[in-house]
Amino acid sequence: DTGVSQDPRHKITKRGQNVTFRCDPISEHNRLYWYRQTLGQGPEFLTYFQNEAQLEKSRLLSDRFSAERPKGSFSTLEIQRTEQGDSAMYLCASSSQGPEQYFGPGTRLTVT
Amino acid sequence: AQRVTQPEKLLSVFKGAPVELKCNYSYSGSPELFWYVQYSRQRLQLLLRHISRESIKGFTADLNKGETSFHLKKPFAQEEDSAMYYCALIMNRSQGNLIFGKGTKLSVKP
Repeated sequence: DTGVSQDPRHKITKRGQNVTFRCDPISEHNRLYWYRQTLGQGPEFLTYFQNEAQLEKSRLLSDRFSAERPKGSFSTLEIQRTEQGDSAMYLCASSSQGPEQYFGPGTRLTVT
Repeated sequence: AQRVTQPEKLLSVFKGAPVELKCNYSYSGSPELFWYVQYSRQRLQLLLRHISRESIKGFTADLNKGETSFHLKKPFAQEEDSAMYYCALIMNRSQGNLIFGKGTKLSVKP
């Protein structure tokens, strides 16, 4: 499968714990995006990488959130000291030069 | 500020009936508009974009700058069209982050 992959697909954690998600984009894509989707809402932009550089961060991305894309390949999204409001589907997407974005299956986070 | 509005949470039609999923946007520049679709248990995927002006799976969408709308239409709905549909726009092509509406669930009854 050459599409965008995300790991894990589901994560249940207790409030206050740290979690890390991984996204592997389509190999030749230099742009990588993270979105968050809560029930009844469309995906909301979190952050964007061009190669290894993080070029844009949404105000939704509090200081408990950090994202990296070392070497411009896979990316990780870490949430520290999780809160119940962090429960959501976290989506990753990648693209090349054009505007079309290819989405991964998402990681569903449940904070208990 | 809400940039993309999809007024219908749910749209239910019978097979063979025409479908129109509404999308309005607010942006003073020249946005790029898209429709994304998510079928049951599948990932979000691009259905069409206004620049290409093509028809995909019988769906078309025309950008109306005067009404700031980008409604998705299909003359004869099929059961396999049942899915979640999201309208989205890009304000800044150099960044490309999408701004999505809340989505409309289309249900096509036999």
